[in-house]
Amino acid sequence: DTGVSQNPRHKITKRGQNVTFRCDPISEHNRLYWYRQTLGQGPEFLTYFQNEAQLEKSRLLSDRFSAERPKGSFSTLEIQRTEQGDSAMYLCASSLNSGGAETQYFGPGTRLLVL
Amino acid sequence: AQTVTQSQPEMSVQEAETVTLSCTYDTSESDYYLFWYKQPPSRQMILVIRQEAYKQQNATENRFSVNFQKAAKSFSLKISDSQLGDAAMYFCAYPPTQGGSEKLVFGKGTKLTVNP
Repeated sequence: DTGVSQNPRHKITKRGQNVTFRCDPISEHNRLYWYRQTLGQGPEFLTYFQNEAQLEKSRLLSDRFSAERPKGSFSTLEIQRTEQGDSAMYLCASSLNSGGAETQYFGPGTRLLVL
Repeated sequence: AQTVTQSQPEMSVQEAETVTLSCTYDTSESDYYLFWYKQPPSRQMILVIRQEAYKQQNATENRFSVNFQKAAKSFSLKISDSQLGDAAMYFCAYPPTQGGSEKLVFGKGTKLTVNP
C-alpha cells in the first residue's frame, strides 16, 4: 500500500491557462474526495466520488472546475481559464465506505500558483 | 451552518511537556465521528486520532488522547511527552452529515511549536 499520491506536486501557470491534476487513491478505496486549502485555513470540500460516480459538488466548485474518476480508480481535477484566486493547495483524500466508520487518508497535495 | 472552531491559532510547548489543543463544533447529529489531523510543514496531512461520538470512553493513541465532551460539543487533543516531531498544524474535523457523503469540515487549525 503506497498511500494516496498526487501529481504534479507543484504547478505554476499563467492566468487564463488550463491545468489538470491527478490523484491516485489507495487501491481498495471506493470514495475519493477533493479539497482546497488556502494559506492559513483548513481544507474546504470541493467534490467527491463513490466509485466512478460524482455524487456531490460544493458551491466552491465553479463551472471552470471539472473532476472525473473514469474507472473508479484515479481521478483528475481540471481548472479551465485559471484565475489568481485559484492559487491554493489542492488535496485529494480516499476512504473505504463499507457501512461503518470512514477515515479519509490524504495525499501530499498539488500546490498551484497562478501568476 | 455546521462549523468547527479552533480558538488557538498558535500554541507552543517545551519538549517532554504536555499540551492541549481545543476544538468545538456544531452538529445536530447524535452519532458522528470526530478527527484530529496533523499537517507538518510541507508534508501531507495524517490522521492523529479518531473518536466515535457514541463511545463514552475517550480515544487514546500512544501519546495522543482526546477529551470528548459531547454535551458541550468539545473535542480537545492532549499531546503528552511532546517531541520535536510533533511540531505541525493540527486540524480538528468532522463530517456534518452521516450516511451520505462524509465530507469533512475542518477548523482553521492550530500551529504547534515544540521548543527544545
